[in-house]
Amino acid sequence: AQTVTQSQPEMSVQEAETVTLSCTYDTSESNYYLFWYKQPPSRQMILVIRQEAYKQQNATENRFSVNFQKAAKSFSLKISDSQLGDTAMYFCVILNQGGKLIFGQGTELSVKP
Amino acid sequence: DTEVTQTPKHLVMGMTNKKSLKCEQHMGHRAMYWYKQKAKKPPELMFVYSYEKLSINESVPSRFSPECPNSSLLNLHLHALQPEDSALYLCASSHEKLAGVDNEQFFGPGTRLTVL
Repeated sequence: AQTVTQSQPEMSVQEAETVTLSCTYDTSESNYYLFWYKQPPSRQMILVIRQEAYKQQNATENRFSVNFQKAAKSFSLKISDSQLGDTAMYFCVILNQGGKLIFGQGTELSVKP
Repeated sequence: DTEVTQTPKHLVMGMTNKKSLKCEQHMGHRAMYWYKQKAKKPPELMFVYSYEKLSINESVPSRFSPECPNSSLLNLHLHALQPEDSALYLCASSHEKLAGVDNEQFFGPGTRLTVL
């Protein structure tokens, strides 16, 4: 069975600063896909960034980047220049070969002015 | 159009009522999903449709009945629900069901269901 662990239930960061959200996972599949999804208080779940496990290069999307350590099964999300609109629940997710999303428990991020 | 729409936004129903939730996408996706989400928890998968056929049922009670009338529409029929079924119900869609490079799931805004 696959599992995703987010060890930080809540975090806060000052506007314009950088924050890193941690995620570890476990899977026996050789190829898989990892995602960070964001769910703001308005509740719409939005994809932030994706990483294909067979790609060595860490994915980046504007102010969002990941540190993907395949051997350590670690997939952290770094948010640079944090903005008030980044306030949300962040879910680390693995997509298994059967097409199911396996979610972590989430990290609630608050960006403070 | 990269949007998944869900209606209604909010629904309050009694335990004897019958109601339906509706989900629609026009992205040409062939996989559609229903999730249940409690506050401050991750979504829990309920059902998966692939090419309009039920592919996965995560042992969901029969008081929840999914239906996929066509490739763009997904319904969830509700009957004789319990108060513990109160939650946010999310619909999602993706190109295909199986894992693939472009198979991210697009989520709708959800229906907030309250069962009295």
